[in-house]
Amino acid sequence: QSVLTQPPSVSGAPGQGVTISCTGSSSNIGAGYDVHWYQHLPGTAPKLLIYGNDIRPSGVPDRFSGSKSGASASLAITGLQADDESDYYCQSYDSSLSGSVFGGGTKLTVL
Amino acid sequence: QVQLQESGPGLVRPSQTLSLTCTVSGASISRSGYSWTWIRQPPGKGLEWLGYIHDSGTTYYIPSLKSRLTISMDTSRDQFSLRLSSVTAADTAIYYCARQYDWTYGSYFDSWGQGALVTVSS
Repeated sequence: QSVLTQPPSVSGAPGQGVTISCTGSSSNIGAGYDVHWYQHLPGTAPKLLIYGNDIRPSGVPDRFSGSKSGASASLAITGLQADDESDYYCQSYDSSLSGSVFGGGTKLTVL
Repeated sequence: QVQLQESGPGLVRPSQTLSLTCTVSGASISRSGYSWTWIRQPPGKGLEWLGYIHDSGTTYYIPSLKSRLTISMDTSRDQFSLRLSSVTAADTAIYYCARQYDWTYGSYFDSWGQGALVTVSS
């Protein structure tokens, strides 16, 4: 069981938008630690999508955005494209575990 | 652009030691200001961060693996390695190496390898 909770799957039609939630607790996101998001197509290297809650690395389209509120965070993807179909993971730091923790991952299906 | 590539045996016998090496290109692992880390993903499960080695040589391992895990670095080859002793089937996973940036409010992983599947089986 992952420390951070994500929905197992979300789906949306091309052109539409989806939101993926990431729920933590008072020892990680709720304690003020930042949330980071990764896109992972199985068999390939995971890709950093968002860091510091809402910052996009160079090259990441502005269709991807992140937010954080309290002990939760969200990744929003607008204008869905076929190649957005992938697994998405949130990650933060947990003070009780003294290390990085991940969500269980969310599989995005573009219908 | 930094690139990372894992290498090592894909099959390890139970009770033996799992060894993997990560070769870094496009950056030097020494005096880089980064930490170099290992993350694994068991079949059908999520990602699990295992530990890191800082470019100063300082290491940190998750408590559940502390007695079995060693991460080391060879700065002359820009490589860092993982050794996990006394493995069981529960250690079967895809093992990723990654570069860790120590952010003010936690750390994140800005470059990853493609992963190496290691199966523990007799």
